Amino acid sequence: EPEVTQTPSHQVTQMGQEVILRCVPISNHLYFYWYRQILGQKVEFLVSFYNNEISEKSEIFDDQFSVERPDGSNFTLKIRSTKLEDSAMYFCASRGGRGAVVRHYEQYFGPGTRLTVT
Amino acid sequence: AQTVTQSQPEMSVQEAETVTLSCTYDTSESDYYLFWYKQPPSRQMILVIRQEAYKQQNATENRFSVNFQKAAKSFSLKISDSQLGDAAMYFCAYRSAGAGSYQLTFGKGTKLSVIP
Repeated sequence: EPEVTQTPSHQVTQMGQEVILRCVPISNHLYFYWYRQILGQKVEFLVSFYNNEISEKSEIFDDQFSVERPDGSNFTLKIRSTKLEDSAMYFCASRGGRGAVVRHYEQYFGPGTRLTVT
Repeated sequence: AQTVTQSQPEMSVQEAETVTLSCTYDTSESDYYLFWYKQPPSRQMILVIRQEAYKQQNATENRFSVNFQKAAKSFSLKISDSQLGDAAMYFCAYRSAGAGSYQLTFGKGTKLSVIP
């Protein structure tokens, strides 16, 4: 079965540095998402992306965050200047959309990238 | 805004027994979807079961079933004949049925342990 993949599995960075988290969604999917989970807390929605633009974003997704689909396969989340409170597990997800034959509603999640900001 | 509450941080069940995980939610919408996701130690979240709010019939998927009480805004997951592979974090999630990006609102999760 197709899977969403994410790299790296673990990223350690210093405060103030830029990080790029990478995701490869399922190939025929149209909708892409980033979520994050701070240790011990809920999984929180960050942003959704469709047709090469952001369709929705949460209040967490401020100017320090950006997303891009640079080459038609990768979907990236960039944090411009990391803060200690950005330490979390970041999950990418993708969804087929109404053109999909089966389970267009389902978001398929990647295994996550653990970001540690020191 | 919608909220999802899972009041049981941890649960355990004996192998082959039945366990019920609780979830309540708060919304002013009448049409929505509810999900249970499983996150095993490998950390890839997998959809276990889905319930449409307009359906009165409770969803079932093999050993997994839900008890959906719309008036009470309750959506519990029952796992029958528990297996060692059921050990995982279980997240309850809500999604509006209206037009939009289909973003999910999650609860904090329940860690399920299965005792051999």
